Amino acid sequence: EIVLTQSPGTLSLSPGERATLSCRASQSVSSSYLAWYQQKPGQAPRLLIYGTSSRATGIPDRFSGSGSGTDFTLTISRLEPEDFAVYYCQQYGDSPLTFGGGTKVEIK
Amino acid sequence: VQLVESGGGVVQPGGSLRLSCAASGFTFSSYGMHWVRQAPGKGLEWVAFIRYDGNDKYYADSVKGRFTISRDNSKNTLYLQMNSLRADDTAVYYCAKVGREGVMTYYYYMDVWGKGTTVTVSS
Repeated sequence: EIVLTQSPGTLSLSPGERATLSCRASQSVSSSYLAWYQQKPGQAPRLLIYGTSSRATGIPDRFSGSGSGTDFTLTISRLEPEDFAVYYCQQYGDSPLTFGGGTKVEIK
Repeated sequence: VQLVESGGGVVQPGGSLRLSCAASGFTFSSYGMHWVRQAPGKGLEWVAFIRYDGNDKYYADSVKGRFTISRDNSKNTLYLQMNSLRADDTAVYYCAKVGREGVMTYYYYMDVWGKGTTVTVSS
């Protein structure tokens, strides 16, 4: 099983700042099958990024994904008030599908 | 595109529950579907997957032998039959569709999620 470790656990930033979230895999993720989801309190997760760097439909271009192998990054170029949430990475290249533990982006 | 889960509730340890997920706004019979759960205050855990035609299914080790995923494409509905429930099955259960139609494997991301239904296993 691929274990995904997200860091930091919590990121305290102000609106307008840049957010950099890390997702590290215990082994290489096949074919860069890595996705990122955003979840707000009481809501379902929302797909942001798939295939490491492809934005899902309707996702603003301030969200970008990068990485390969075992190290992946989600970057939010300028935080908007609606971006404060929990973010999860997920690998879907190996069985079983696994999620990281999440990074909470909170208002400083 | 909409997914609406139902069937959650409070059940005693060892009991059973069947969750449903009603799909609309897309060709349900063309898409594989997942169940994912989230224990209170915890992260996401993948539970099960069923291929678009129902002919291939995968389960997390934690639920294998106790949970059964199924679908009725004529009713645009996904199901999760949960037996021998334990306290650690307590969670919000989400259904989610894969991101492309006709995908033959379960190695795919989830592009639309329902709002979830809550299952509480407690005596």
